[in-house]
Amino acid sequence: GAVVSQHPSWVICKSGTSVKIECRSLDFQATTMFWYRQFPKQSLMLMATSNEGSKATYEQGVEKDKFLINHASLTLSTLTVTSAHPEDSSFYICSAPTGALGAQHFGDGTRLSIL
Amino acid sequence: AQSVTQLDSQVPVFEEAPVELRCNYSSSVSVYLFWYVQYPNQGLQLLLKYLSGSTLVESINGFEAEFNKSQTSFHLRKPSVHISDTAEYFCAVTQDTGRRALTFGSGTRLQVQP
Repeated sequence: GAVVSQHPSWVICKSGTSVKIECRSLDFQATTMFWYRQFPKQSLMLMATSNEGSKATYEQGVEKDKFLINHASLTLSTLTVTSAHPEDSSFYICSAPTGALGAQHFGDGTRLSIL
Repeated sequence: AQSVTQLDSQVPVFEEAPVELRCNYSSSVSVYLFWYVQYPNQGLQLLLKYLSGSTLVESINGFEAEFNKSQTSFHLRKPSVHISDTAEYFCAVTQDTGRRALTFGSGTRLQVQP
């Protein structure tokens, strides 16, 4: 079945570092991918919609310059957290629609910890 | 705009007991409804979905959910839970037009005790 691979699964780094998270659709093409953020014991909040070959669409309140999204191919979207600070520590999850109406497949998430 | 409400943040239950996790939604247009399960430090796995047709949908591991349009609900049930069902459960909706990002409820932590 359709699979979404997300890498890395866990990142610990110093404040001020930029961190790149990759999201790949392994056996299907995804012109659209979604990036979510999840705080501990809370729900997933949509951050942005990644569009292949065009600019991402960000949700209200999400800083475009802080969270850079690139969707350079039909199977890869990247989220770069620039100059990360402790408040950016969170669980980031990507997903991609598979073509089945309304369904999405999720990556396993990336736990980002900024010291 | 659409929203999802999961009133119960935690549901403790003994093994082999029945359970119901509640989900209510609000939307001005037709929606598709989903239940996802999340185990610790993992992504989300689709449990079941309602797109159209029969209002009662079932998963392979014994869960079922019933779409009730008049009550705008999509409650998740299982007649007999196992320890391995302990996880976070999220109800989600998406509209049937436009982009297909999901709107999630706040989640319900199902804690199955021996």
